[in-house]
Amino acid sequence: DAGITQSPRHKVTETGTPVTLRCHQTENHRYMYWYRQDPGHGLRLIHYSYGVKDTDKGEVSDGYSVSRSKTEDFLLTLESATSSQTSVYFCAIRGDREGDGYTFGSGTRLTVV
Amino acid sequence: EDKVVQSPLSLVVHEGDTVTLNCSYEVTNFRSLLWYKQEKKAPTFLFMLTSSGIEKKSGRLSSILDKKELFSILNITATQTGDSAVYLCAVARQAGTALIFGKGTTLSVSS
Repeated sequence: DAGITQSPRHKVTETGTPVTLRCHQTENHRYMYWYRQDPGHGLRLIHYSYGVKDTDKGEVSDGYSVSRSKTEDFLLTLESATSSQTSVYFCAIRGDREGDGYTFGSGTRLTVV
Repeated sequence: EDKVVQSPLSLVVHEGDTVTLNCSYEVTNFRSLLWYKQEKKAPTFLFMLTSSGIEKKSGRLSSILDKKELFSILNITATQTGDSAVYLCAVARQAGTALIFGKGTTLSVSS
């Protein structure tokens, strides 16, 4: 399978605490993305990265920050978790070539109580 | 505003039936349209379509894109219970690289 892993797989946290999700790839791909998936909304883009230290916001970026200090790692941080951030979070990667597809990680199920 | 709309949102069929899933889009600077299958975990890639009228096939699944009318269909023939899943349609734009997803079609195949 494509070399993309997410950690943790599951997490329960309390409202107001900071949370960091990690996406790690071994494909040396330039592009990395964080999506959240909620019933009735499909997959929505939170943030994406087009290189080390190069990131940009997606459609649902409020309350989230990201960092990419190395090609292989893309971190998503919830500075102060809220119940509305309970969701399944997916990381995805894409290669540089025009026809390259997008490969998804297995997801992190986050519950904020 | 860019959007991707899938229909129907859900579908129940019997094993052996043929189904057609629809995806329409309004996206600036279109590059490609992708179909994914999701079974309670990560979406898995099915097809990427970039040119109109060229059918892509993989076993019992096939898909085609119409760039004039801005839609794509995903056909599944002789459905099996293992086809039960959420089917996601997504569009990639030129320059911008993130996928824009539809809400998905939930397909249930009963035996």
